[in-house]
Amino acid sequence: QKEVEQNSGPLSVPEGAIASLNCTYSDRVSQSFFWYRQYSGKSPELIMSIYSNGDKEDGRFTAQLNKASQYVSLLIRDSQPSDSATYLCAVNPHDMRFGAGTRLTVKP
Amino acid sequence: DTAVSQTPKYLVTQMGNDKSIKCEQNLGHDTMYWYKQDSKKFLKIMFSYNNKELIINETVPNRFSPKSPDKAHLNLHINSLELGDSAVYFCASSQGESAFFGQGTRLTVV
Repeated sequence: QKEVEQNSGPLSVPEGAIASLNCTYSDRVSQSFFWYRQYSGKSPELIMSIYSNGDKEDGRFTAQLNKASQYVSLLIRDSQPSDSATYLCAVNPHDMRFGAGTRLTVKP
Repeated sequence: DTAVSQTPKYLVTQMGNDKSIKCEQNLGHDTMYWYKQDSKKFLKIMFSYNNKELIINETVPNRFSPKSPDKAHLNLHINSLELGDSAVYFCASSQGESAFFGQGTRLTVV
């Protein structure tokens, strides 16, 4: 089993829709969870971090964490074409482990 | 001011050569990483250093040797380069929480 798994993409949504990205992790001692966005040819940049169960909202982004289910998700409301990128889930039990990423395309 | 900087940004070299990639961070972080991102975009951890000490050494060929002269620098030396080493290599640093990435080094072995 991979340490961090993300729902297979690519994911395509129309502009204005909600994009839902999912991630599961295997190490139960993980305490820190992150979502990174990576544009083509660029380095990953942090967009959300979450440490406790529940929802965390930041603008159009909402991260959801369920430690019992070892599940973390990212919702992007009112998706924009500029949100088109690869989204990487990262988990930090002792160091930073990444999922394979989900490529999101938002169509105008 | 660039927080995490890597050089060079692009590196094209022939099989069998030896090359180095340098990384420096000015964030005062204790932990630095090297990641390899392949053509499928999977970001795989290679090494982790904490305050100049090697913490993690994933299953990486011993042709790859990291060196940390101080906690602000983590360099990666690769011996006898192979075609399969072609990828983007990212340096990152963290202070216990999220990681900040350099701009990446695109290595192409021909």
